Amino acid sequence: DVKVTQSSRYLVKRTGEKVFLECVQDMDHENMFWYRQDPGLGLRLIYFSYDVKMKEKGDIPEGYSVSREKKERFSLILESASTNQTSMYLCASSQDYNSPLHFGNGTRLTVT
Amino acid sequence: EDKVVQSPLSLVVHEGDTVTLNCSYEVTNFRNLLWYKQEKKAPTFLFMLTSSGIEKKSGRLSSILDKKELFSILNITATQTGDSAIYLCAVKLGGSNYKLTFGKGTLLTVNP
Repeated sequence: DVKVTQSSRYLVKRTGEKVFLECVQDMDHENMFWYRQDPGLGLRLIYFSYDVKMKEKGDIPEGYSVSREKKERFSLILESASTNQTSMYLCASSQDYNSPLHFGNGTRLTVT
Repeated sequence: EDKVVQSPLSLVVHEGDTVTLNCSYEVTNFRNLLWYKQEKKAPTFLFMLTSSGIEKKSGRLSSILDKKELFSILNITATQTGDSAIYLCAVKLGGSNYKLTFGKGTLLTVNP
C-alpha cells in the first residue's frame, strides 16, 4: 500500500512566521502535489512536482513555495504566514501521469 | 475556466437507503474522472472513469460516466453509517497537464 506521510497533524503558528510542511512518500512516485482544502471551496492545487528539483505552480501559489531535493520528499513553505493561510493542507503523490493520487492525512494549520 | 460541480452539497439518509451522488463537468480536453471518499483525514481513491457507459463497481458502490452529457454518478446501495463521509469528484485533463480539478464535494451523513 502507498503511504504518504505528513509530518504534523496539527500546527499552530503566528503571523509572520516561516512555516515548513513536510511530506514523504514511500512508493518511489514521480509526482507529488500540495493542495489546500477549505469549506465551500474544495481542494485547490498550490504546487506540484513531476521530478526532483522540478516544480510547477498550481491554481493558488501566491504566498507559498516548495522544495523537492529528493524524490520521496516534497516540502511546502510559507515564507511569512498569514491568517488567510489557515487551512487543511493535503499532500499527494502519484506513480505516473495516468495514475490516481494518493493522499496523506493532512496538516491542519492555524495561523494566529 | 474548467469547472466541476457536485450535487447535492449535503445529504442525510437512513441506513439501508440507496443514494446517488452527481458530478457534472465543463472542461477543456477531458481525460478521466475520479471519485474519492474522505472521512476524517486522507481522501481515499474509489474509482477512475475514462470511457462512457462502462460501470465500475466495488461492493455496494458503483459509478458510471456519460461523456456526451458531461456527468458522472456515484451510487451507494444499502448505505451504512460507515459510508458517512465527503465524496469528492475530480477531473483530469489531457495533454501534459498533471492537474486534477476537484468539485466541492458532497457531505453524506448516514443515520442509524
